Amino acid sequence: AQSVTQLGSHVSVSEGALVLLRCNYSSSVPPYLFWYVQYPNQGLQLLLKYTSAATLVKGINGFEAEFKKSETSFHLTKPSAHMSDAAEYFCAVSSPGGQGGKLIFGQGTELSVKP
Amino acid sequence: KAGVTQTPRYLIKTRGQQVTLSCSPISGHRSVSWYQQTPGQGLQFLFEYFSETQRNKGNFPGRFSGRQFSNSRSEMNVSTLELGDSALYLCASSLSSSGGGDTQYFGPGTRLTVL
Repeated sequence: AQSVTQLGSHVSVSEGALVLLRCNYSSSVPPYLFWYVQYPNQGLQLLLKYTSAATLVKGINGFEAEFKKSETSFHLTKPSAHMSDAAEYFCAVSSPGGQGGKLIFGQGTELSVKP
Repeated sequence: KAGVTQTPRYLIKTRGQQVTLSCSPISGHRSVSWYQQTPGQGLQFLFEYFSETQRNKGNFPGRFSGRQFSNSRSEMNVSTLELGDSALYLCASSLSSSGGGDTQYFGPGTRLTVL
């Protein structure tokens, strides 16, 4: 069975500081991995996804993530936090084939950005 | 292109009633997935429909059901509502013909409150 673990339900950084949100996955098959962001009272917006091409994936708004198979990790980073990055972030995994329409999400990490 | 739309956005029901939520996917998308989001359980997969057939199902009781129409629009129904069904219900659509790796685009959600 697949699962996702996000370390840290809440992360606080200062504006301009590095953002690092951690995600570890468990999967018996090569996974597809996603990071989504959710702003208050809104749905989820895709930041980036890994689909077995390049291990370093660049997304929107300056975010990127690196797939590390040996560590079963897919951590999300941004070099310099902006106030507008404050939101909840979700890591998700899906399987190839017929299970592709089923995303398994981590518990989420709420990011706060201090001025 | 118009995004995923969900109606209604907010709903208040009482225990024992039933409710129907609607989702219109992005034009051309044939897969629709439903998720329940609660503070305690996070984001949980309910089911996925593709070409009017349920392709995947999560671990929810039979009170939760869905269907998809020939135009890919989808509805989910919850019968005999319980207090614990209060949640944000999110719908997502994707191309997902072969499954796996396709981006799921989320709607804004329907906030259901059960009194």
